[in-house]
Formats: sequence, structure tokens, C-alpha cells
Amino acid sequence: SAVISQKPSRDICQRGTSLTIQCQVDSQVTMMFWYRQQPGQSLTLIATANQGSEATYESGFVIDKFPISRPNLTFSTLTVSNMSPEDSSIYLCSFFPGPKGYEQYFGPGTRLTVT
Amino acid sequence: GQQVMQIPQYQHVQEGEDFTTYCNSSTTLSNIQWYKQRPGGHPVFLIQLVKSGEVKKQKRLTFQFGEAKKNSSLHITATQTTDVGTYFCAGHKGGTSYGKLTFGQGTILTVHP
Repeated sequence: SAVISQKPSRDICQRGTSLTIQCQVDSQVTMMFWYRQQPGQSLTLIATANQGSEATYESGFVIDKFPISRPNLTFSTLTVSNMSPEDSSIYLCSFFPGPKGYEQYFGPGTRLTVT
Repeated sequence: GQQVMQIPQYQHVQEGEDFTTYCNSSTTLSNIQWYKQRPGGHPVFLIQLVKSGEVKKQKRLTFQFGEAKKNSSLHITATQTTDVGTYFCAGHKGGTSYGKLTFGQGTILTVHP
């Protein structure tokens, strides 16, 4: 099965700063997703990142706050901008392998704490 | 929008007891998927159900998809400490079978030895 990695695995950041999270997949995939998960809570989809087009954001999430890049079929970044303590969460990337696979594979997550 | 409700939110069992979590959607689903997230880990895919009334088994785990394709359940027989974690159901909106998933809130299972 495909391998997906994220970095950093965790970070502690000051409010008002920005953090970029990287997600790398070891094979080419069409659809990548970014989720946010509060400890003990469900997964909230932030956006779908498609290569070659703008990311599609879910209600409550905007590009200015969470800009996403998808420069190729194996890589994506999520930036959490102008952070506040409310942004403290686990951020997970995932991918959908495509027409022959229907399950989503998740990265190990980035645990972000904003002070 | 589409909502997927999952109950119970928490379940504490003694090792050897059975466990069931239920998932209900406000709209018809194309399919239902189940994921398990170990403490400190990331969600891992368990299974997908597609057909109305479908039942699938994985060792001690039994998954069901309702006749109306709006509800699903996961039943674990004779729980073990390795079953500890959060179980999420997730579905695709009617008409699509890939891409964006809507996740339930998850059931956190604790197994006491």
C-alpha cells in the first residue's frame, strides 16, 4: 500500500505566526485532502487539494487562512496562517488512490499547539 | 447538509464483552466505510459496504449496511484490549462513490482487561 508522510509531526507556535505542513505520498494520486481533528473528536474536512487547480474549501474554511498548494501528484502543503490558540489541533492529510481504490489513506498527522 | 450521526460517543467494556457502534445518515449513502484510529494514531481503513443490506465479517468484527443505505453498524464479538480506539463511520453522498467523505463523530472504545 502507498506510504504517506507528514512533517512536522508536531510544533508549538506563537500566535500571529504561520506554519506550513507538508504531505508527501510515495505514488501519484489525484485527490488529496486536509483534515483537522481536535483531540477526541471527529475529522473535519478543511479542503480538497487537486493537482493543477485551486483547492476546494469546505464551509467555514477560507483560502486566506488555510492556503493550500498542490504542485504535483505526490505532494501538498497546508499553511495555517495568522495562528490563534483556536487553531491548536491535529492536522491530517489523506489521499484517495483513485478509481481502483476507494479507501482513504491518512498521514500520521501534525499536532499543532498555538500559544 | 449531509450529516452522519454515530452512537454511542463512548463505550467502556470488560475484555470479552461485545461492542456495537451505530451510524445513521440523514440522506442515502452510496457506500459506508469504517475506520479505526488507535490512541495517538491516524485513521486506518477497515472496510467498505456498498450494497443495501450487505453484511461483511472480518474475524470478530461484523459490519452491516442498512436496507435503506442510511444506517450501518459495527459489532465486535468478545472484545480484546487490542480493540481499543476510536471507530469512525464515513460515507459518500448519494451519487458518488469516491472522493470526499463525511465522517461520523466516532465511538471511543475502552476495553478493561
